[in-house]
Amino acid sequence: DADVTQTPRNRITKTGKRIMLECSQTKGHDRMYWYRQDPGLGLRLIYYSFDVKDINKGEISDGYSVSRQAQAKFSLSLESAIPNQTALYFCATSAGNYGYTFGSGTRLTVV
Amino acid sequence: AQSVTQLDSQVPVFEEAPVELRCNYSSSVSVYLFWYVQYPNQGLQLLLKYLSGSTLVKGINGFEAEFNKSQTSFHLRKPSVHISDTAEYFCAVSLQYTDKLIFGTGTRLQVFP
Repeated sequence: DADVTQTPRNRITKTGKRIMLECSQTKGHDRMYWYRQDPGLGLRLIYYSFDVKDINKGEISDGYSVSRQAQAKFSLSLESAIPNQTALYFCATSAGNYGYTFGSGTRLTVV
Repeated sequence: AQSVTQLDSQVPVFEEAPVELRCNYSSSVSVYLFWYVQYPNQGLQLLLKYLSGSTLVKGINGFEAEFNKSQTSFHLRKPSVHISDTAEYFCAVSLQYTDKLIFGTGTRLQVFP
């Protein structure tokens, strides 16, 4: 099994729908992150969590929310999806300033 | 605030040629530096990192990078590339003790036979 698992791998949804992207990890790391990747823009931080009771906004949190259900689980929600949220979403974990472990990504298309 | 600039969005190169992917950063305080690789349809994988110590850092797959504090650069190099090195490469920086990575916009390396 992968260290960081993201579900679903691909999703097409309609404008205005609520959607949840899930991330689970077996690394035992306390720190978890959600990024989105857009062509030419690199990866941008949406939310991050340093432990179960600690949730922080990143640089592009508007339109998103998160839930840290357990040390191993960190979900990203789009309350009302819009087309410019079409992107590749990555979850990552970290044990400190030594680099992240990334999931394989969720490709989300909002039509 | 810190930022990362990857000067080339695409780098085409022939197999067995050397390659350098450029990365410059901006920060008023000490940083940690990273290079990640993303193969098609995959997540990001850590290539190498600079935390402290020797400024020449060796990573996986024959890549290396040199931290140059005066030039605020962290360029990635490989003396002889393979077709399998075709991928997107991301430079990233984090402030010490913050553990939040700021990524560059990526450089697409395409290796031709």
